[in-house]
Amino acid sequence: EVQLVESGGGLVQPGGSLRLSCAASGFTFSSYEMNWVRQAPGKGLEWVSYISSSGSTIYYADSVKGRFTISRDNAKNSLYLQMNSLRAEDTAVYYCARDGSYYLYWGQGTLVTVSS
Amino acid sequence: QSVLTQPPSVSAAPGQKVTISCSGSSSNIGNNYVSWYQQLPGTAPKLLIYDNNKRPSGIPDRFSGSKSGTSATLGITGLQTGDEADYYCGTWDSSLSVRYVFGTGTKVTVL
Repeated sequence: EVQLVESGGGLVQPGGSLRLSCAASGFTFSSYEMNWVRQAPGKGLEWVSYISSSGSTIYYADSVKGRFTISRDNAKNSLYLQMNSLRAEDTAVYYCARDGSYYLYWGQGTLVTVSS
Repeated sequence: QSVLTQPPSVSAAPGQKVTISCSGSSSNIGNNYVSWYQQLPGTAPKLLIYDNNKRPSGIPDRFSGSKSGTSATLGITGLQTGDEADYYCGTWDSSLSVRYVFGTGTKVTVL
């Protein structure tokens, strides 16, 4: 059974940093593209970042470019999102999602709250 | 603000049919596959349709997808109370930079 489990969310002050993790199981992690998608409270879905199976290709949404860094450790079956210079508008539930063209598998999400 | 436009809400009685439109451009829908997601309150999104019109295993054929030019449509027939949710279209976009984009979202209400 495919499982994606996010962790690392919490309350952080504006300007602060947070690192999210997504632990994958039930499939060959190193063979699949991965993404981060977020959803602000009461708002729609917003794609955040993509990473290829090898990590060689990475894309970011304009809203996080230069502040967020996506990475993966295929040996640990884990996906990461390093978030720096956090802003109030980054407050959202962050989901990791598997695949490139469409997202068949999603984690349960982890809440990031940016507030003083 | 999303580059994919959906109606904010649609509604119909149980057993009826609804359609949800997703309007884009040549840099997204016009040259890429479209997928559709259902999000029930408080839960992660669920893939309903991929590659414009394909259904993942376990998705009933009451859900259908189509694409024409720069627009896509999700259809739901035999509407059930359990279909009351938010629905999003999604696809890749390459207008200025490569990115994945979701539609603005549509709330389906079963009357």
